[in-house]
Amino acid sequence: EAGVVQSPRYKIIEKKQPVAFWCNPISGHNTLYWYRQNLGQGPELLIRYENEEAVDDSQLPKDRFSAERLKGVDSTLKIQPAELGDSAVYLCASREGGAGYTEAFFGQGTRLTVV
Amino acid sequence: DQQVKQNSPSLSVQEGRISILNCDYTNSMFDYFLWYKKYPAEGPTFLISISSIKDKNEDGRFTVFLNKSAKHLSLHIVPSQPGDSAVYFCAASALQYNQGGKLIFGQGTELSVKP
Repeated sequence: EAGVVQSPRYKIIEKKQPVAFWCNPISGHNTLYWYRQNLGQGPELLIRYENEEAVDDSQLPKDRFSAERLKGVDSTLKIQPAELGDSAVYLCASREGGAGYTEAFFGQGTRLTVV
Repeated sequence: DQQVKQNSPSLSVQEGRISILNCDYTNSMFDYFLWYKKYPAEGPTFLISISSIKDKNEDGRFTVFLNKSAKHLSLHIVPSQPGDSAVYFCAASALQYNQGGKLIFGQGTELSVKP
């Protein structure tokens, strides 16, 4: 079974430019997460989807970040315009969802460098 | 407010000995705890989990202990192998409450197992 797929793996952009990340979760997983990981830190949640509904986006900087999960499957995270402080690894994860005790599976991440 | 804390940024052990990684949490609503392992340039991979109704879970060389009264959990690796060298993240979730599947991560502990 394929895991969580993210693209691109690496992205270098100039500040003030837009950038987008794509995630394909594991088939059948209802819960999808976007995390940001800064160097030397743990992943920090940006947004969580249950199917196509964003149920937790309290830590998403909504002035420049946006996300969507069309049809409850693939998801896109966008930054516009990017700032130097946005340089980080952006991780997508998915989970079966529901109340059961199941783990989340992560993709390999997208390393963003803003110059 | 750091709800999940890993106070040791690094740990070095000799091959064949026991590795003990610690994690503390502050939110008493957390009822599901997970450990992830992360190699450089890869996403976190699930290692082992424990629900709050248990105080121990074992999987091969890996054992997680949960002390709810102290709000503390630990991961034991016995015997440690050089391939275990990675960054280990503790994560917590409050599945039974309105937090749903929100996963909160600690800062990570970098384990180095020396031959």
